[in-house]
Amino acid sequence: KAGVTQTPRYLIKTRGQQVTLSCSPISGHRSVSWYQQTPGQGLQFLFEYFSETQRNKGNFPGRFSGRQFSNSRSEMNVSTLELGDSALYLCASSLLAPWGETQYFGPGTRLLVL
Amino acid sequence: GENVEQHPSTLSVQEGDSAVIKCTYSDSASNYFPWYKQELGKRPQLIIDIRSNVGEKKDQRIAVTLNKTAKHFSLHITETQPEDSAVYFCAASKDTDKLIFGTGTRLQVFP
Repeated sequence: KAGVTQTPRYLIKTRGQQVTLSCSPISGHRSVSWYQQTPGQGLQFLFEYFSETQRNKGNFPGRFSGRQFSNSRSEMNVSTLELGDSALYLCASSLLAPWGETQYFGPGTRLLVL
Repeated sequence: GENVEQHPSTLSVQEGDSAVIKCTYSDSASNYFPWYKQELGKRPQLIIDIRSNVGEKKDQRIAVTLNKTAKHFSLHITETQPEDSAVYFCAASKDTDKLIFGTGTRLQVFP
C-alpha cells in the first residue's frame, strides 16, 4: 500500500496570508490526525478527523482549522499566518483511531512564514 | 488535560551501552503508551507500544516498562548501535481521546 502523502512539501508564506495543507491517508484508513512539530516542542496535537467529523481538538487558536472528505483525505487551513506558525506540519493516519493503534505519519509540510 | 513529560532531552551513549528514556503522564485514565522514533529528516515511526494491562513488553533490543501507580513508563534500548541515533518520542492516550506526545529525546550513539 502507498504510504501517507502530504502536499505541498515546502511552503513559504508571509504574515497575514492563509495556507491550506493536504494529507492523503493510507488506503482504508479512516482516522487522520494533524500535528505541529517545532524544535523543543515536540509533536503538538492539532486535531483528529474520522468519517468527516472532528473528534478531538488540541489547544490551538481558531485560525487553525481542518476538514476531512468522504474519501478520508484531509486538509488543514491556517488563516492570518503569524511568524510563530513556522513549523513542520505532520499528518498521520490510523485504521480507526490514534488511541490503541499504530499511526502512520506522512513526510510533513514544512511551512516558513516570513 | 493529559500532559506528558519526557527526560532527558538529550542522551549520548557509547555503542554497545544501554539507553533509558523516561516519561511521566498526568491522566491516570491513560491506557495506551506508544514510542516513536524519528531519524533526521524522516517521519516518526512506531517502534513499540504498551497498554495499561501489561507491565512490560520487549521486542529484540527494545523494551518498554510501565508503572501505573507512579504514572511513568520507560524505553530501554540495549546494545545500542549507531543506527539507533534518532529522536525518540513517547506518547499517552486514553480511549476516544487524542494522543499526547512528549517533547522528545535526542539519542546519539557514538561508535
